[in-house]
Amino acid sequence: DTGVSQDPRHKITKRGQNVTFRCDPISEHNRLYWYRQTLGQGPEFLTYFQNEAQLEKSRLLSDRFSAERPKGSFSTLEIQRTEQGDSAMYLCASSLSASGANVLTFGAGSRLTVL
Amino acid sequence: AQSVTQLDSQVPVFEEAPVELRCNYSSSVSVYLFWYVQYPNQGLQLLLKYLSGSTLVKGINGFEAEFNKSQTSFHLRKPSVHISDTAEYFCALTGGYQKVTFGTGTKLQVIP
Repeated sequence: DTGVSQDPRHKITKRGQNVTFRCDPISEHNRLYWYRQTLGQGPEFLTYFQNEAQLEKSRLLSDRFSAERPKGSFSTLEIQRTEQGDSAMYLCASSLSASGANVLTFGAGSRLTVL
Repeated sequence: AQSVTQLDSQVPVFEEAPVELRCNYSSSVSVYLFWYVQYPNQGLQLLLKYLSGSTLVKGINGFEAEFNKSQTSFHLRKPSVHISDTAEYFCALTGGYQKVTFGTGTKLQVIP
């Protein structure tokens, strides 16, 4: 297992365009999380899935953001009509709920720059 | 609600000197506490965790942290830092909620 993979690593787009990020978690992990990290800030929770069910969404996740995990494996995070304020690092993490404490394993992140 | 406060945004320290990175938390339920490290252009890696039991926990790379329930703190320490410890360190917690809440981070700059 190669850990949590995120693609693409970098994305530059123009304001108003749509972008999609993909996350492949550790195969045996049933929980998958999306966080956003901006300069000088810690990771901010966006949403999480247990298997294919989306169990919690932050109020940071406006209606332009949508996340899916259709088969309980990989997940996508789509941002529609991007704005300059969406520029950030988007982090994916996974964990195993049966392990008790929620120890997250992070991917390297997808950096979004909106021009 | 739960929150994490990291009191120092940047900590410069000379190589081979000791360091303490401070973390305070707030939660209405019992918590699990973590420290993560982020090296430049890399993802976050787990440094250590407190789940239960001994309040002094040891992690990778010679780091340790002490859980203090009365002071709601989980400070990170290392007796002698190395240049390679230069990174950003995040304190985090999870309680009765499934999400993990992070602090704003402390940048440790080790000076040769």
